Amino acid sequence: AQSVSQHNHHVILSEAASLELGCNYSYGGTVNLFWYVQYPGQHLQLLLKYFSGDPLVKGIKGFEAEFIKSKFSFNLRKPSVQWSDTAEYFCAVNARAAGNKLTFGGGTRVLVKP
Amino acid sequence: GAGVSQSPSNKVTEKGKDVELRCDPISGHTALYWYRQSLGQGLEFLIYFQGNSAPDKSGLPSDRFSAERTGGSVSTLTIQRTQQEDSAVYLCASSSLQGGDSPLHFGNGTRLTVT
Repeated sequence: AQSVSQHNHHVILSEAASLELGCNYSYGGTVNLFWYVQYPGQHLQLLLKYFSGDPLVKGIKGFEAEFIKSKFSFNLRKPSVQWSDTAEYFCAVNARAAGNKLTFGGGTRVLVKP
Repeated sequence: GAGVSQSPSNKVTEKGKDVELRCDPISGHTALYWYRQSLGQGLEFLIYFQGNSAPDKSGLPSDRFSAERTGGSVSTLTIQRTQQEDSAVYLCASSSLQGGDSPLHFGNGTRLTVT
């Protein structure tokens, strides 16, 4: 079945470490790609998005993501994390092949130890 | 203006009862989604409304689940004969354009507990 996959369910790292969260999707054709973040006790909010153009997208709080079409991937990165980055991160894909509805991955819980 | 508003914020119900969950999207947003978030399950798509088009109901898990959107604004998700596995946080989100062209704005969710 067509889907969005996030490889890691839980990630634990120390402050100043680098973070990379994997996201792969299986839809062909035109896609729009998103990363959402849910901080503890808060609602989901947009971190960054890719529609077209430069495949390296920069978002808020120092996050970036790279769209690699040939690998059907949209991995999220941050060079140096902070304790405040502790949250759950969701990759999401909108694909015309899926009727234009936004499909989310299973999420990755990130814990940054101070 | 105000963000996406969901009510109630918490709902505890007995198995077998019906529940209604309400979503007030951001004014003017044409796209409205319902998702379900269960512990360890991520966000599960339930239903998608886009303007006057027929809703995409492909994510509804059973015929006990239904949703409507009146006047292109407020939406109600109804779960009939609730089961314990229906316990989850039900999230509503809206966007200003077709979902693929605009990010979603999420509400705070309704936490449903079926006892």
